[in-house]
Amino acid sequence: GAVVSQHPSWVICKSGTSVKIECRSLDFQATTMFWYRQFPKQSLMLMATSNEGSKATYEQGVEKDKFLINHASLTLSTLTVTSAHPEDSSFYICSAMVGSLSTDTQYFGPGTRLTVL
Amino acid sequence: KQEVTQIPAALSVPEGENLVLNCSFTDSAIYNLQWFRQDPGKGLTSLLLIQSSQREQTSGRLNASLDKSSGRSTLYIAASQPGDSATYLCAVTNTGNQFYFGTGTSLTVIP
Repeated sequence: GAVVSQHPSWVICKSGTSVKIECRSLDFQATTMFWYRQFPKQSLMLMATSNEGSKATYEQGVEKDKFLINHASLTLSTLTVTSAHPEDSSFYICSAMVGSLSTDTQYFGPGTRLTVL
Repeated sequence: KQEVTQIPAALSVPEGENLVLNCSFTDSAIYNLQWFRQDPGKGLTSLLLIQSSQREQTSGRLNASLDKSSGRSTLYIAASQPGDSATYLCAVTNTGNQFYFGTGTSLTVIP
């Protein structure tokens, strides 16, 4: 089946530093990749949608200069949290999809737990 | 904006019981609805995908129904097992290609 990996699975960093999270589709080429964040006991909130080779589309309220998304290939997207602060601590989940939302499912990565001290 | 609500927020049942999880959405202009399972600290696993033209989908002990006109879906789990303990999320795709998750139901099946 379709597998999506994320690296790292968890990361602890100091306030003010930048953190990069990778999302890879291991056995398929993804048309689109999505980035979500999830706070404790809450549902997933979509942050941005990215297609290979084009700029990401950010949801309202998500700072594109703070959360940099690079979709370098059909199997890799990266999310960089720049100048991280404690309020950025969260669970970040990516998903990858072949085709379109109207007919196809997203395959989710296992998530990355970010803790900013 | 689409709002997706799940009731109850938490549910605890003894092993072997059949149970129903509910999902409601405010905008019926959807392409499809999905049910996912999330284990603590983990990603999501897709359980069932129902297209807007379908009424239900079944996979093993799981059955999901969709009533698009009333904005409702149910996930029926038969003969629950402790391994079913997880958070269950429904999600809808609007015809504008926007994807919305529900608030989630945390299920605990007691051995």
